[in-house]
Order: sequence, then C-alpha cells, then structure tokens
Amino acid sequence: ETGVTQTPRHLVMGMTNKKSLKCEQHLGHNAMYWYKQSAKKPLELMFVYSLEERVENNSVPSRFSPECPNSSHLFLHLHTLQPEDSALYLCASSQGVTGVYGYTFGSGTRLTVV
Amino acid sequence: KQEVTQIPAALSVPEGENLVLNCSFTDSAIYNLQWFRQDPGKGLTSLLLIQSSQREQTSGRLNASLDKSSGRSTLYIAASQPGDSATYLCAVKTTDSWGKLQFGAGTQVVVTP
Repeated sequence: ETGVTQTPRHLVMGMTNKKSLKCEQHLGHNAMYWYKQSAKKPLELMFVYSLEERVENNSVPSRFSPECPNSSHLFLHLHTLQPEDSALYLCASSQGVTGVYGYTFGSGTRLTVV
Repeated sequence: KQEVTQIPAALSVPEGENLVLNCSFTDSAIYNLQWFRQDPGKGLTSLLLIQSSQREQTSGRLNASLDKSSGRSTLYIAASQPGDSATYLCAVKTTDSWGKLQFGAGTQVVVTP
C-alpha cells in the first residue's frame, strides 16, 4: 500500500448508528487531516492532528469524534448523524502542518445518512 | 480571511485545445499553492505544488504560474485529451493557521473527442 488509504469507500448509515471511518498513511508524514466535501461546496477542514495531537477543531459538531492513535492512523467516529452530514469525507497528510511539501489526499469515504 | 475563487466554474473544449484555468486569492501571505485534480466521486490527486518564492512549476503537459503579489495562479494544460476531463481545484496554504488549506470551488472541465 502506498499513499493515503481510506476505508470504507462507501458507507450508508442510519441516524442512530455508530460507525467509524479509517485513514492510514504510508508516507512517513507527521500531520493528518479530515476534510468534508458536500455537494456544490468547497472542501471544509474539520480536524488537524500534528504529531498525534489535535491542534484544530474547526467548529465541528460533537457527533464527529476524531482519534489519532499514532502518526500513521486517523479515525473519524460517527454517531447520531443527520442527513445533512451526507458527504465525501477526505483524509489528508503532510510533513509538518506548514505543508511546505504539499498535501496528499486519500480517495475518500462517501457517506450517506438515511 | 483568505478567499479563493476559481474562474470559470465550468469549461468545455474540443480535444487538442489548450486549457487555461484561473485561481485568485485575497491574502498574499501564503506558504504555497497546490493544484489538484478530482474525478467524480473520487479523492484528490496532486498535480503541481508552487512555493510562495516560485513563479511557476511544470510537469509534462501541465504548467502552473504564480503571481503572489496580485493573488493569482493559472494552470495551463497543453493539447487537452478526453482523459483530462475532471474537476480542477486550487488550494492555498496560508501562514496564519494550523495546516489549513483554503480551497476554491473548482473548475469542471470536459474535453470532447
């Protein structure tokens, strides 16, 4: 595996379910991110982790709970979501939060909340 | 607050024509600017990264320029092919936030055979 891998690729969940999105990077980066992409809107930053420590929570509702157990793995735990949370969730990584070497994105998880 | 605008929102050209995609940003205090490609329902593929001190970057048929003082970047794709059909996004890394990339809304490109 190379680059940034996200699983699952697609997820359908009810509003009362609990599920988790997983992201793994094989690039030796030390910063990881969650982005949300809704239809017809620019990508929105959700969370930033640097050296496994959360350094930014961009006003995200508490029904989204991130976890970064080590520098290679990032999770997004979901519970009691709303239909408007349906979107493409993208994980990214970089070497340092300044992103001087650029950012690498995964293929995303397409989430549908029913 | 940094704002990134991409014009046009959509573009359709016949195969073989050159593509010109524009990106403008309001705050010139940036680390770098990155161009991405996104196929429908897929993730982002990095195309070119331009540091704030650079004027342009080239990779194959792609060339991106950066004029930081005027807040503009242009992505040129030479001799377009149907496989170039995708949405192209520019993203700016500003100096005032933790790893936050500010994205434009993208330009949707269709190259017809």
